[in-house]
Amino acid sequence: NAGVTQTPKFRILKIGQSMTLQCTQDMNHNYMYWYRQDPGMGLKLIYYSVGAGITDKGEVPNGYNVSRSTTEDFPLRLELAAPSQTSVYFCASSPGNYNEQFFGPGTRLTVL
Amino acid sequence: GQQLNQSPQSMFIQEGEDVSMNCTSSSIFNTWLWYKQEPGEGPVLLIALYKAGELTSNGRLTAQFGITRKDSFLNISASIPSDVGIYFCAGQLTGNQFYFGTGTSLTVIP
Repeated sequence: NAGVTQTPKFRILKIGQSMTLQCTQDMNHNYMYWYRQDPGMGLKLIYYSVGAGITDKGEVPNGYNVSRSTTEDFPLRLELAAPSQTSVYFCASSPGNYNEQFFGPGTRLTVL
Repeated sequence: GQQLNQSPQSMFIQEGEDVSMNCTSSSIFNTWLWYKQEPGEGPVLLIALYKAGELTSNGRLTAQFGITRKDSFLNISASIPSDVGIYFCAGQLTGNQFYFGTGTSLTVIP
């Protein structure tokens, strides 16, 4: 099992550009999550999904979109990148509610 | 959003010393989790707590779910250099969202 994989590892964007952060898990988990982590801070939930076709907003969803067409994949889309979106993005998955989350290695994004 | 206050923010200790850190909230949580994050990696779960008053150990780590359900504690006994990292608490209310503390950075001096 590869667990949770994220691509790319690093990315630099110009203001106004768009990109998709990829997340894939091979554990057949129903629940998937996207977090952002700013320097010296904890993780803040952007979006989550409880199964294919179902997504919901977390604490900081503005400027992001998600989709969940399969159990394995949960991509995060930035449409108009802004400097405030400079952060490290973590994807996580979980077998169910109240279960531990397994995290990917993160994507470090810089918007200039 | 929910505020989890984690303290201390950072700790510098000698190898072999014990470590204590805690997490408090104004809200009542149903689940408390403790994670460790090393540089360039995602957080890794250390201990999960599901009931008020629960005390759970994982090797040299022991965590407790506070009786009021508004706090949790993590202790590390006899620290070693590989304990270095940032420790995060996370709490879950009803529903699917976890809220993370701001982390305790641990440095162990050999």
